[in-house]
Amino acid sequence: DIQLTQSPSFLSASVGDRVTITCRASQVISNYLAWYQQGPGKAPKLLIYAASTLQSGLLSRFSGSGSGTEFTLTISSLQPEDFATYYCQQLNYYPWTFGQGTKVEIK
Amino acid sequence: QVQLQESGPGLVRPSETLSLTCTVSGASINSYYWTWIRQPPGKGLEWMGHIFNSGNTDYNPSLKSRVTISVDASKQRFSLQLTSVTAADTAVYYCARENSGSFGIDYWGQGTLVTVSS
Repeated sequence: DIQLTQSPSFLSASVGDRVTITCRASQVISNYLAWYQQGPGKAPKLLIYAASTLQSGLLSRFSGSGSGTEFTLTISSLQPEDFATYYCQQLNYYPWTFGQGTKVEIK
Repeated sequence: QVQLQESGPGLVRPSETLSLTCTVSGASINSYYWTWIRQPPGKGLEWMGHIFNSGNTDYNPSLKSRVTISVDASKQRFSLQLTSVTAADTAVYYCARENSGSFGIDYWGQGTLVTVSS
């Protein structure tokens, strides 16, 4: 299985901060990577697919980049509703796998 | 507006079979990939498998031969069966739509907690 390692696992930040989360894959996965946001008690929500394409209807403060084995999710200016857990997922090799998650909390 | 809704028992006895159904509205179940994902309490996400073209399936090998996903196109729903459950199968189970071409999982059900306990 492809292992996805997110860093950091926990992040404390303030409203307005620029935040970057990294996802590293154990093998090359081209750009078959998605990012999700999960609030407490809620289903995950797709933010980014194909590594850098913003899901329709989402605000542009979310952006993704990367290819191969290293990917990043950036939130340009953290808003109160962005405090959540973020997951990356690879969809290049079966079984699809997720990173362990990055929890973003209020400083 | 695409909507998915899970239904099924919230409590399953050890060694028995977990069965859940997902009812889809707003999209044809004959298109897309229809997926099950689970999340143990306080833990991360695990992709269990998906079904597409009303019959083709891929499963997570970690579940070995315990998992089956099927579809009832006439009722716009798909189902999950997980046999020989243990406490380790206690989780929130999500049904979801996976967009084709590896474009991610774009619609999710609200999730349903299934507890395995005697």
